[in-house]
Amino acid sequence: NAGVTQTPKFQVLKTGQSMTLQCAQDMNHNSMYWYRQDPGMGLRLIYYSASEGTTDKGEVPNGYNVSRLNKREFSLRLESAAPSQTSVYFCASTGVTETQYFGPGTRLLVL
Amino acid sequence: GDSVTQMEGPVTLSEEAFLTINCTYTATGYPSLFWYVQYPGEGLQLLLKATKADDKGSNKGFEATYRKETTSFHLEKGSVQVSDSAVYFCALSDLRTSYGKLTFGQGTILTVHP
Repeated sequence: NAGVTQTPKFQVLKTGQSMTLQCAQDMNHNSMYWYRQDPGMGLRLIYYSASEGTTDKGEVPNGYNVSRLNKREFSLRLESAAPSQTSVYFCASTGVTETQYFGPGTRLLVL
Repeated sequence: GDSVTQMEGPVTLSEEAFLTINCTYTATGYPSLFWYVQYPGEGLQLLLKATKADDKGSNKGFEATYRKETTSFHLEKGSVQVSDSAVYFCALSDLRTSYGKLTFGQGTILTVHP
């Protein structure tokens, strides 16, 4: 039982490049989330998916897109990376309780 | 909208000292309250939670009580260890109105010295 997995663990991009962050969970959870973590600001919600087939914007969605590929997988795409998107990105999932389970994170550096 | 405010950090303590990290919240509904911990280089993991007023969450010697009258959920531990050094996040969620989305405080860095 791996829980929530994320790939890659670390990525360096140049301004304007695109990339997709992958997330998968094996807990049969309905809801999945993408957060970004920046120093002194806690975690902020980018997008979430309350159930398979649905996605909604969170607090800071600009510059990102998401895809809920199936119940297990929820990807985050940066179409044209900007230095302001340098951050640590966390994926999380939750089932019938409100406890969220987090992945190990992806560190992204945009030059 | 909902919000969470944590005490300013960082907090530096000696081993076996008493720990308090303050957390207050603003919410329109009846949220559940959480403390998450993040160890260096890792993701967040649930430390404890409380789902209604006057509930006490506890785990690994840490405790927090859901105080509706003061809108607070302060984290306490009687005797900290070096291994407790981490970042602690207070958060709230209202499953009835927010699909389980968490609203986080800014985090408090705790460093415990031997």
